[in-house]
Formats: sequence, C-alpha cells, structure tokens
Amino acid sequence: EDQVTQSPEALRLQEGESSSLNCSYTVSGLRGLFWYRQDPGKGPEFLFTLYSAGEEKEKERLKATLTKKESFLHITAPKPEDSATYLCAALTSGTYKYIFGTGTRLKVLA
Amino acid sequence: DARVTQTPRDKVTEMGQEVTMRCQPILGHNTVFWYRQTMMQGLELLAYFRNRAPLDDSGMPKDRFSAEMPDATLATLKIQPSEPRDSAVYFCASGKTGDPYNEQFFGPGTRLTVL
Repeated sequence: EDQVTQSPEALRLQEGESSSLNCSYTVSGLRGLFWYRQDPGKGPEFLFTLYSAGEEKEKERLKATLTKKESFLHITAPKPEDSATYLCAALTSGTYKYIFGTGTRLKVLA
Repeated sequence: DARVTQTPRDKVTEMGQEVTMRCQPILGHNTVFWYRQTMMQGLELLAYFRNRAPLDDSGMPKDRFSAEMPDATLATLKIQPSEPRDSAVYFCASGKTGDPYNEQFFGPGTRLTVL
C-alpha cells in the first residue's frame, strides 16, 4: 500500500536553531515528491518538487533533499515567520495519485 | 495573480441537508482535485479530474458525495444528505499535467460544520 509518513508530528525550535523534517515514502513508483507549507486557516502553498534521488532544491532558509526512501526539509537558522505546518506528498507514477503525509507542525520561538 | 477560488468559505448546516461547494480553478489548468482535511486524518483525496473527466473518486463516499465539472471554470462537490462526520475543511486544488508542472495550487478551503 502506498504510504507517506512524516516525522516528527510537532517541532519547537528557538530562533536560529537549525533542524530537519523527515518524509518517508513507500509508493509503487515515484513520479515526484512535493513539499508544501500550510498556515492556519489557509490552503497548502507549494514549496518544492523533487523528481529523482540526489536532487536538492533551496529557497531562502529551506532546503529539500531526496533519497530513494525519504525526503528531508532542512531549515537553517529559522525565524518565527517559518512557523507553519509542513506537508509532503508523493505523486505515484502509473496511477497518478497524490498521497499526502499528515504534516509536521513547526513552531519557531523568538 | 492567478488563484483558485472556493465558495462558500464557511458553511454551517444541519444533518440531512444538502451541501454544495464550488471551486474555480486557475485558468489554463487542466487538473482539479478535491481534498478533505481533518485533524485526525490530514489531507485525504476525494476526487480528481483531468480535462474535466473524473479519473479517480475512490476516496469519496459514493452514497452521499458527488463531484462534477460542468465546465472548465467550475468544479462542484455535493454532499447529500450531510452528516456530522462530514465536518471538515474541504480544499480544491488545480494544476497542469506533465512534468515539471505537477505542483498543485490550493484554494482557501470551505470549512463545513454539520450539526
């Protein structure tokens, strides 16, 4: 069964304290791995797409990486405005289905 | 600034009533998705359309839910009759097929409360 698991469920960081969020996936063929950010009361907002193992993408303080089994979202020197829920999703090849993880709730304290 | 729009933003109804949610995808996008989000289950895919044709609605309770795209600018999700367990935030998202355009653009959601 296709599955996406995110850890930890929640994370509290001090401002400037770098960390990583994990997204493990088990799917029957990966077409793409997506990261989204969701603020309270809003829809998810697209951050990155990764297509193949070894690929990395960066945006400001965020860097996403991909292996054959998992993806990491590295947050370097986070600021309070980075507080949000971060979702990852796997797009399966063949069935073309998006499978979302349940997210990591990140809180960055000033 | 192209955005996905959803109406209504909030809906409170009583058990047994019909609920219709509407979505206007971004112009030029050919895929439309309906999701339901709850604290317990996270984001669940309910239905998926490509070029207005339903491709996957396996996540949708067939006896009470229905999804349609009467034209390229409108997608609807209907619940009849509604039940308290349907209370959730319903998101519509649109996108384009074909790499590298597989990212989805989400609307603001419809918060449904069934009493």
